[in-house]
Amino acid sequence: NSKVIQTPRYLVKGQGQKAKMRCIPEKGHPVVFWYQQNKNNEFKFLINFQNQEVLQQIDMTEKRFSAECPSNSPCSLEIQSSEAGDSALYLCASSPDSPQDTQYFGPGTRLLVL
Amino acid sequence: AQSVTQPDARVTVSEGASLQLRCKYSYSGTPYLFWYVQYPRQGLQLLLKYYSGDPVVQGVNGFEAEFSKSNSSFHLRKASVHWSDSAVYFCVLSGPNAYKVIFGKGTHLHVLP
Repeated sequence: NSKVIQTPRYLVKGQGQKAKMRCIPEKGHPVVFWYQQNKNNEFKFLINFQNQEVLQQIDMTEKRFSAECPSNSPCSLEIQSSEAGDSALYLCASSPDSPQDTQYFGPGTRLLVL
Repeated sequence: AQSVTQPDARVTVSEGASLQLRCKYSYSGTPYLFWYVQYPRQGLQLLLKYYSGDPVVQGVNGFEAEFSKSNSSFHLRKASVHWSDSAVYFCVLSGPNAYKVIFGKGTHLHVLP
C-alpha cells in the first residue's frame, strides 16, 4: 500500500481565493508528480519534480498554479486564484526510480471551488 | 499519437464470475503498461505492471494481465471476482518521456453480491 500522504483531504474555496495542498512522498522517492482528476475520470498531468527540481510542467501550471518540493518539507501545490473549473481531485504520486517507473499515489485532495 | 482506450465505461458481473477489462493502447516505442484500481474516496493503487518479458503478468489479489504487441492490448483478468473488487480500474501507459503518462478513462466495475 502507498505511503504517500496528502493534506487536506477536502478543501473548499471561493472563486479568486488561494488554494494550497500538500504532499509527503514515500520516504526515499525522489520523483514527485501532481495530477488533476476531474469528475469524468480524466487525468491531467500538472508538474513533476526530481530531487526538488522541476522536471516538466504544463502551461496551465505556469500561470495560476505553482508548486514546489523543498528538501525536508512537504511538497505543495497552490492555486493563486481559484476558478470553478479547478474543482477536481488533486493527486500526488511519488516514484522510487526514474519518472517512468511505477507511481505510488496518495489519497488526493478534493478541491471544491464555489 | 499515443493513447489508451478502455472501451467499456462500466462492467457489471456477478460475484464468483470471471472478469476481463479491456485496454487498447497506441504507442510507437516500447510501452510501460500499468493497471491501477481506485476505490471510492481513495487514490490509485497499483495492481500490476508490464515492462518486458513474459507477456502474462501476475498482480495483487488474483489479478493478471496479458500484453499483446500484435493486438496493442493489455487486458486485465481475474478468474473469480469478489464484491470488494467493485471499483474503477485504470489502464496507464508510460514511456521514456515522463511527461507522457497517459491514463485511460477508467472502467467502473460493479460486482453483484
